[in-house]
Amino acid sequence: DSGVTQTPKHLITATGQRVTLRCSPRSGDLSVYWYQQSLDQGLQFLIQYYNGEERAKGNILERFSAQQFPDLHSELNLSSLELGDSALYFCASSVGEDTQYFGPGTRLTVL
Amino acid sequence: GEDVEQSLFLSVREGDSSVINCTYTDSSSTYLYWYKQEPGAGLQLLTYIFSNMDMKQDQRLTVLLNKKDKHLSLRIADTQTGDSAIYFCAESNNNAGNMLTFGGGTRLMVKP
Repeated sequence: DSGVTQTPKHLITATGQRVTLRCSPRSGDLSVYWYQQSLDQGLQFLIQYYNGEERAKGNILERFSAQQFPDLHSELNLSSLELGDSALYFCASSVGEDTQYFGPGTRLTVL
Repeated sequence: GEDVEQSLFLSVREGDSSVINCTYTDSSSTYLYWYKQEPGAGLQLLTYIFSNMDMKQDQRLTVLLNKKDKHLSLRIADTQTGDSAIYFCAESNNNAGNMLTFGGGTRLMVKP
């Protein structure tokens, strides 16, 4: 157990819908990262927050957004969902900008 | 952009050593990591090496880094059936936040 928690574990929804994925980092970690794992794209970095501020952005679609709250938990919002958004979404956390520990992931299925 | 490459598949017999290889292109990588993913599970951090080191040993795991050739390897000694998983190599670059760039993963199959 890495200490990073993600909810929900599984999410099934329809095209066009909007979902919110939640992540709680390890106690004391200030950085939160979101990654997407899909069969065709592999593991891709989406976005990083550090102590509430956006720190780095990767291959994140405009339909996706994220934020980190004062209690340091983070949410990833995915809207206007398409079939191709079906993937495993991982959250990771680190103390500063060092070793990242991953949560168990949220499996999103878009039907 | 940065690229991390791994072979897709490795099969070994229980008790043998496994060597999983990785190449990367970003010469300004700060840390290089090995993560393990079992079926249906998240990514477990196995070990990491700072870019100015050339070797790190941690129990059954040995990481070798050839910075000149941008080649990283993970050796698992006395491989067990429980080591069967997908192994991901990743590199980080603190010039770009701390995002990890992952390889495609190597599926290790350990035969009894």
